[in-house]
Amino acid sequence: GDSVTQMEGPVTLSEEAFLTINCTYTATGYPSLFWYVQYPGEGLQLLLKATKADDKGSNKGFEATYRKETTSFHLEKGSVQVSDSAVYFCALSELSGGSNYKLTFGKGTLLTVNP
Amino acid sequence: NAGVTQTPKFQVLKTGQSMTLQCAQDMNHNSMYWYRQDPGMGLRLIYYSASEGTTDKGEVPNGYNVSRLNKREFSLRLESAAPSQTSVYFCASNPGQGARNSPLHFGNGTRLTVT
Repeated sequence: GDSVTQMEGPVTLSEEAFLTINCTYTATGYPSLFWYVQYPGEGLQLLLKATKADDKGSNKGFEATYRKETTSFHLEKGSVQVSDSAVYFCALSELSGGSNYKLTFGKGTLLTVNP
Repeated sequence: NAGVTQTPKFQVLKTGQSMTLQCAQDMNHNSMYWYRQDPGMGLRLIYYSASEGTTDKGEVPNGYNVSRLNKREFSLRLESAAPSQTSVYFCASNPGQGARNSPLHFGNGTRLTVT
């Protein structure tokens, strides 16, 4: 079945450091890929997405490129801020029976950014 | 813009008690989902409703029942709570059928403790 593997945390960085959170996936077809972010005490919200190979999703300074050859969708940010402290989830969406799409999540990576 | 609203925010139950978690969305979405989030496990799908009038089991349905009351509302019931059901529960929705690239919209969660 489909699966998403992301680097285990926690990740602790200083403000203005470079961030990479690795994500790889297995899927039988051609999934769409997502990064979600969860701030303390809140639900998940979409950070960015990419729907086909070589697409780059970007939002709030974060970027991720859909790499079909390496089945990866790594999240990067050039200069993190304290306000980026959150849990980040990689996810894929693929057809699962009929016309329903199933979303599969990674286990999440906790990022803490210190001033 | 309420989005997805979950009630209650917090709940403590004794083993064997029952309760219903409520979820409502005001985005006219067809599909609704219930997830649980546990440390180190990411999000796991309990049940989903692809459209009004249908419900299906997800990855971890045992011990739960659901009702899609109408297009807006999707409730999750614990008939006889167990300590293993201590978790944070999230309701989510998206436009549904054929929505491969459409992200999920999450509520802010219900933190349930079963003693």
